[in-house]
Amino acid sequence: DQQVKQNSPSLSVQEGRISILNCDYTNSMFDYFLWYKKYPAEGPTFLISISSIKDKNEDGRFTVFLNKSAKHLSLHIVPSQPGDSAVYFCAASGGGADGLTFGKGTHLIIQP
Amino acid sequence: DSGVTQTPKHLITATGQRVTLRCSPRSGDLSVYWYQQSLDQGLQFLIQYYNGEERAKGNILERFSAQQFPDLHSELNLSSLELGDSALYFCASAPGGDEQYFGPGTRLTVT
Repeated sequence: DQQVKQNSPSLSVQEGRISILNCDYTNSMFDYFLWYKKYPAEGPTFLISISSIKDKNEDGRFTVFLNKSAKHLSLHIVPSQPGDSAVYFCAASGGGADGLTFGKGTHLIIQP
Repeated sequence: DSGVTQTPKHLITATGQRVTLRCSPRSGDLSVYWYQQSLDQGLQFLIQYYNGEERAKGNILERFSAQQFPDLHSELNLSSLELGDSALYFCASAPGGDEQYFGPGTRLTVT
């Protein structure tokens, strides 16, 4: 049973526009959420995180929103740049789970 | 560059064999995590070590084992290999919080 779900395997966005990547979770005990970015042949790179006591965290072009009642989080990238093309993983920790629980990823493609 | 190193980068071996994957964490990080990423699955947590001691276990098979040495590097041992063990194996280290920093991975191919 997947506790962290990324329902869009891929997303195509025009350069300069906003990219919105979505993630849903089922374990209400998760208390920390992270986004990782992964290029081919490299390991995941930490991007941004949010604690369950917040509903928004911003870092430059990246903003993560958390809606606890809906068990939903999203990553906004504004403006999208060609170097943002990568696979983005949503991950969660806490709730009695050991290690990070990952979604299956969304492949973001930024088109010129 | 995350500061986490993994060797080897690629490994090709036959069914029934045993291999060892190595990981060196970032300087100062006491925690090491191992993850497996196969084609049809996302990243699956295998096991965590903290300062030489096993801290948590995830979906790790009995044929797999790990250890963390006094210099904090870690090794993941995979034995009696099966075709289904072919995957990317990632090591991550953490300073103590929830943020983990991943190495480049070892791609294991079992033929």
